[in-house]
Amino acid sequence: DAGVTQSPTHLIKTRGQQVTLRCSPISGHKSVSWYQQVLGQGPQFIFQYYEKEERGRGNFPDRFSARQFPNYSSELNVNALLLGDSALYLCASSRGSGGAPNEQFFGPGTRLTVL
Amino acid sequence: GDSVTQMEGPVTLSEEAFLTINCTYTATGYPSLFWYVQYPGEGLQLLLKATKADDKGSNKGFEATYRKETTSFHLEKGSVQVSDSAVYFCARLSGGTSYGKLTFGQGTILTVHP
Repeated sequence: DAGVTQSPTHLIKTRGQQVTLRCSPISGHKSVSWYQQVLGQGPQFIFQYYEKEERGRGNFPDRFSARQFPNYSSELNVNALLLGDSALYLCASSRGSGGAPNEQFFGPGTRLTVL
Repeated sequence: GDSVTQMEGPVTLSEEAFLTINCTYTATGYPSLFWYVQYPGEGLQLLLKATKADDKGSNKGFEATYRKETTSFHLEKGSVQVSDSAVYFCARLSGGTSYGKLTFGQGTILTVHP
């Protein structure tokens, strides 16, 4: 079975631009989470979606938004990019069923560089 | 709030040496605990997990025991290999309405020399 896939692999943007990152979860998984990993640090939680609804939001500004589609894939959007948004953006999927937290499986990430 | 603290790195060992990476977590509720590994240029891979007190997670020679009394989940391996060189992250999973938010430690870089 295919794991979590993310696109693009790498992305270079300039300050002020907007970016959209994409994630496809493991087949059968209904929950997608997004994390930001700045170089040298642990990942920080941004969003979690389950059945197309936002279930959790981390301490990130409103420039960050996300959505989940009927096929459970997800997009993360970041507006008005800042240099500090340069990071590895990780997507994780989980079954998310039964109202209980499940094990999360990570994709390879999208490396965003803001110049 | 929820937090995870890992021992300061980096850690440098010779092949076949014993490894311990310390991890402690805040005791809010009864979180599931995980160790993830990240190889250069890659995403996170789940190494092992434990979901309740006194559980021992194990995989590929690595072990960690969920210690509720000391709020710890230290990672150990009896004999490391060069291929174990990577960054290791301890994490706790908070459930309830957030449906499973992972809180990570800062990561520990492990380098194993032949």
